[in-house]
Amino acid sequence: KAGVTQTPRYLIKTRGQQVTLSCSPISGHRSVSWYQQTPGQGLQFLFEYFSETQRNKGNFPGRFSGRQFSNSRSEMNVSTLELGDSALYLCASSHGGNQPQHFGDGTRLSIL
Amino acid sequence: DAKTTQPPSMDCAEGRAANLPCNHSTISGNEYVYWYRQIHSQGPQYIIHGLKNNETNEMASLIITEDRKSSTLILPHATLRDTAVYYCIVANAGNMLTFGGGTRLMVKP
Repeated sequence: KAGVTQTPRYLIKTRGQQVTLSCSPISGHRSVSWYQQTPGQGLQFLFEYFSETQRNKGNFPGRFSGRQFSNSRSEMNVSTLELGDSALYLCASSHGGNQPQHFGDGTRLSIL
Repeated sequence: DAKTTQPPSMDCAEGRAANLPCNHSTISGNEYVYWYRQIHSQGPQYIIHGLKNNETNEMASLIITEDRKSSTLILPHATLRDTAVYYCIVANAGNMLTFGGGTRLMVKP
């Protein structure tokens, strides 16, 4: 069974640009969550989508947004990039409820 | 979600059991204990989770105390590849996890 796939693996952008990251969940999983990992703040929850609806949202500014498609694939978008947005962005999928999430290996975003 | 407390680092000899403790004294009745680990530059890997009973799978065992205020993750025969940061997380659902600092486990030959 294929795991969670995130593309691209690495990305370099400059301040002020926007970026879109993609996540393909494990087949059959309808819940997709996004996390940001930085050396200073650790792993922080961004938002969760289930059946194309955002169910939960972390404490991030509105520049961070996401969506989920009918096939459960998800994208997250960050607009007006700042230097502090440099991070590893992780996607995780699950069946929902108390079932565990399974993570992809992330997209490493660097802002110059 | 309840907060967890883990030692920042631990060492373990290769081939020996690694016992990683976690305190979660404010856990509520519907919250599960989840364990993940993260090896450098990879996404967190799910290990095991449980509610009240002890659990075992091919990777590890999870021992939860009767009052549910603490738990221990046991890797029965640690190998060098088990060197990672281990996260203990308490949550009532598996889809919105709050990660703390975790325990950095170093398995030594």
